[in-house]
Amino acid sequence: RKEVEQDPGPFNVPEGATVAFNCTYSNSASQSFFWYRQDCRKEPKLLMSVYSSGNEDGRFTAQLNRASQYISLLIRDSKLSDSATYLCVVTLPSGNTPLVFGKGTRLSVIA
Amino acid sequence: DVKVTQSSRYLVKRTGEKVFLECVQDMDHENMFWYRQDPGLGLRLIYFSYDVKMKEKGDIPEGYSVSREKKERFSLILESASTNQTSMYLCASSGTGINEQYFGPGTRLTVT
Repeated sequence: RKEVEQDPGPFNVPEGATVAFNCTYSNSASQSFFWYRQDCRKEPKLLMSVYSSGNEDGRFTAQLNRASQYISLLIRDSKLSDSATYLCVVTLPSGNTPLVFGKGTRLSVIA
Repeated sequence: DVKVTQSSRYLVKRTGEKVFLECVQDMDHENMFWYRQDPGLGLRLIYFSYDVKMKEKGDIPEGYSVSREKKERFSLILESASTNQTSMYLCASSGTGINEQYFGPGTRLTVT
């Protein structure tokens, strides 16, 4: 089983729509969780950290469900500029890989 | 503002050549990382370093080596480039502990 799994998409949504992505992780001892955003032909950049209590940043809401081992990202009122690949990232408590990246979910927001 | 720079955006090398990819960060970060990114495979960690002269193997170290002689600089070396090393190479850095990583713009390497 892969350590971090995401639906690759693409998710094609109209402007103004609400869209949600989930990401599952296999190691129950995972400690920290993040969503990164990667634009086409650009480097990944941190979008937001995911806290146990959930967190919100404007139109973006991230949630963590430790019992079911998944994290989610909700985008409200989608903008054309939200079109990107969203990477789920998990830290492991030990082992030789400090951060594990999912393969990403591609979002296209259409006018 | 954190800045991570990589020596080249695009590089074309021949099979068997020795290739050096340089990465420099300006935030005095302890941790530096080298990844490769391929379609359908995502980001895969090659090597990382927690301190000067220290290195740790990531998930796919075969065919690569690294050097960290100064805190701000982390080099990735392909001793003898092969066509299966054609990829996008991304360098990243982070401060103490496992937290936000800042990525460089990437080097698209083509080995012919």
